Amino acid sequence: NFMLTQPHSVSESPGKTVTISCTRSSGSIASNYVQWYQQRPGSSPTTVIYEDTQRPSGVPDRFSGSIDSSSNSASLTISGLKTEDEADYYCQSYYSINWVFGGGTKLTVL
Amino acid sequence: QITLKESGPTLVKPTQTLTLTCTFSGFSLNTSGVGVGWIRQPPGKALEWLALIYWDDDKRYSPSLNSRLTITKDTSKNQVVLTMTNMDPVDTATYYCALMLSYFDYWGQGTLVTVSS
Repeated sequence: NFMLTQPHSVSESPGKTVTISCTRSSGSIASNYVQWYQQRPGSSPTTVIYEDTQRPSGVPDRFSGSIDSSSNSASLTISGLKTEDEADYYCQSYYSINWVFGGGTKLTVL
Repeated sequence: QITLKESGPTLVKPTQTLTLTCTFSGFSLNTSGVGVGWIRQPPGKALEWLALIYWDDDKRYSPSLNSRLTITKDTSKNQVVLTMTNMDPVDTATYYCALMLSYFDYWGQGTLVTVSS
């Protein structure tokens, strides 16, 4: 089994760019796809990135995902921040019979 | 249009068994590759995957909760049922069901279950 570790919180100003990391504790981050989910307060999660770098239809291209094998981590980058991006973000991956979520990162846009 | 909706008790007592139903529309659990999973989220905490059932009745469970969980499907009713035994106050959470194609593509609105005597 493995864990996905995210920063507890990040904050940035509107119009700026923020990156949220997701570090895999064991095994290669590249071994299994990483997804990113956005959860606004009081709402269900929605997918903003799937299969490491892909955006579902309807997700703005301000959202991008990447993988870095050297740090064994995945990243979600949001550019041109808007107040509506303020939410919790969760990374998720899979190994064997186990779907694993990260601990979540609270993004504050102020 | 794909929709999923969770239903079940909002309050259960410690040691009781929880039964939750996910009723869905817009897809079929008879279709190859399709799965429906359950994920929970304690208040103010992170998401935790619980169980998943595939179109071919293959079932997967969280290793940490495996002994307490059972997932079944009724394709004629478009429903997936999750049971969790021996409920404890730490199981208080919002329980979501979600459609899995290659990831958790679509989520229900969630149902809050409180465990208290």
